[in-house]
Amino acid sequence: EPEVTQTPSHQVTQMGQEVILRCVPISNHLYFYWYRQILGQKVEFLVSFYNNEISEKSEIFDDQFSVERPDGSNFTLKIRSTKLEDSAMYFCASIWAGELFFGEGSRLTVL
Amino acid sequence: LAKTTQPISMDSYEGQEVNITCSHNNIATNDYITWYQQFPSQGPRFIIQGYKTKVTNEVASLFIPADRKSSTLSLPRVSLSDTAVYYCLVGGYGGATNKLIFGTGTLLAVQP
Repeated sequence: EPEVTQTPSHQVTQMGQEVILRCVPISNHLYFYWYRQILGQKVEFLVSFYNNEISEKSEIFDDQFSVERPDGSNFTLKIRSTKLEDSAMYFCASIWAGELFFGEGSRLTVL
Repeated sequence: LAKTTQPISMDSYEGQEVNITCSHNNIATNDYITWYQQFPSQGPRFIIQGYKTKVTNEVASLFIPADRKSSTLSLPRVSLSDTAVYYCLVGGYGGATNKLIFGTGTLLAVQP
């Protein structure tokens, strides 16, 4: 069964450092998403992406965040200068027929 | 965008049927209702989706009244492994509504 894959599974970084989280969505899916989940809290929408541009973004997705699909397969989330409060699980998802397919997530720990 | 409201938590025992209701008073005409299950440290996983009336698959049933302002996920004969957070999500097929927002979810605790 095709699946969304994410790397790294866990990243530890120092505050102020740049982080890139990578995702390979399911190949024939066209809409992609990033969500985050702070420990013990709900899944929060960050951004949706279609046709190589952002479709929607939340208020969380400020200038410190960016997304791109550089090579037609990878879908990346970049955090330019990490803050302590960016520590969370970050989930990538793609959608088909209304069903979101999630990856296993990347745990980001900012020290 | 339709906002969803669910109970924060529910308790059940093994073998019981569990019904979790979600309110979505502002649902749009082209919105579908989708339920997801999430275990700790895992991504949410699709359970079931519907537009109106009743939908049933191998793991759950989804009941949607005619006004579509609420929906009920029914899990027959739950087991300990059904302990998880359950989210209802309202939105279109990606193209119609790209901002698919999760509510607070319902933590279902199944006891022996």
